[in-house]
Amino acid sequence: DGGITQSPKYLFRKEGQNVTLSCEQNLNHDAMYWYRQDPGQGLRLIYYSQIVNDFQKGDIAEGYSVSREKKESFPLTVTSAQKNPTAFYLCASSNRQGANSPLHFGNGTRLTVT
Amino acid sequence: EDKVVQSPLSLVVHEGDTVTLNCSYEVTNFRSLLWYKQEKKAPTFLFMLTSSGIEKKSGRLSSILDKKELFSILNITATQTGDSAVYLCAVPDNYGQNFVFGPGTRLSVLP
Repeated sequence: DGGITQSPKYLFRKEGQNVTLSCEQNLNHDAMYWYRQDPGQGLRLIYYSQIVNDFQKGDIAEGYSVSREKKESFPLTVTSAQKNPTAFYLCASSNRQGANSPLHFGNGTRLTVT
Repeated sequence: EDKVVQSPLSLVVHEGDTVTLNCSYEVTNFRSLLWYKQEKKAPTFLFMLTSSGIEKKSGRLSSILDKKELFSILNITATQTGDSAVYLCAVPDNYGQNFVFGPGTRLSVLP
């Protein structure tokens, strides 16, 4: 079955440590996205990528980094520079970037930093 | 700045009730409006609306767009406990490259 797989589901880290969240899709989608979701707020865009080896900052990119070495994979690293990293992180993809292609989401990773 | 507002933010109803969720938006170059349902994990796609006045329907859910007044509504009739979820509304941003999401409406349907 085609879909988006995020791992792990839950992640616990100590403050000051970098952590990488995995996102893999087998939908052959070009565009991939990372969103952060906090209680009572909408999804906020961290980074997005339209094609392999290219990505752009979203609204809240500070303290995060990404790579897009393969079409299927778009890992997100939460660095120690991110001041408030505890959140629910959602990865999404679409078959082309833009208005006429709904996003397909993974099941998310809940990150807790203490 | 592109913006999406949803109301109410939270709603509690009983099974069998009908609910109407609201989404209003401000975007310079409107292309479409999308509704998603998020239970515990991944938001799942419900509807994409591009034209005013044309109702989209799927079972007990329906949605309509008013491009003149810049809003959309999502109706759920004969609600069931399985409808309990956060309902998200989103529009593509001004450049059509990313989506701007509203804060969501948390619907709780009690038995």
